[in-house]
Amino acid sequence: GNSVTQMEGPVTLSEEAFLTINCTYTATGYPSLFWYVQYPGEGLQLLLKATKADDKGSNKGFEATYRKETTSFHLEKGSVQVSDSAVYFCALIAGGGYQKVTFGIGTKLQVIP
Amino acid sequence: DTEVTQTPKHLVMGMTNKKSLKCEQHMGHRAMYWYKQKAKKPPELMFVYSYEKLSINESVPSRFSPECPNSSLLNLHLHALQPEDSALYLCASSPELKQPQHFGDGTRLSIL
Repeated sequence: GNSVTQMEGPVTLSEEAFLTINCTYTATGYPSLFWYVQYPGEGLQLLLKATKADDKGSNKGFEATYRKETTSFHLEKGSVQVSDSAVYFCALIAGGGYQKVTFGIGTKLQVIP
Repeated sequence: DTEVTQTPKHLVMGMTNKKSLKCEQHMGHRAMYWYKQKAKKPPELMFVYSYEKLSINESVPSRFSPECPNSSLLNLHLHALQPEDSALYLCASSPELKQPQHFGDGTRLSIL
């Protein structure tokens, strides 16, 4: 079956530090890959996506590149802010017909001033 | 601002009560979803509607009853819930199945 592996955290960084949250996956076929962000007390927001190998998704200073050879989709940001504190979920959709979204466990990011 | 609106934001109910959660979107999306999310866990899929027809029921207990009155609305009727059903209930929509989903902010449900 499909699966997504990411660190649970929490990841604690100082403001303006570089962020990497690792995400690796196993899936049938060629999955579409996503990063969602959940701020405290809110639902999930789609942060970025990539639908084929070597695609780079980007939004709000965050980036992730679809690496088929390493089955990875690591999230990066060059300079984090306190407002980036949230839980980040890596996710995928794969397979023929309807396939439900497979989420990772979520990584909590805490950015301190 | 989220484009998927859920009401109420918070709900406290007893185990014998009947209540409903509501979800609305006006993006023209034809797929809508209910998820349950426990603390520090990812969302778990409950139901999927496509073109107002129930497509997926992830073996959810019958005390949860979904309804899709039209393409913009999705309800979740609750009856005789258990304390372990306390969670954040999220609604989502997407243009079609397998496309990125847009989530509402959820209803935080507490069962006494």
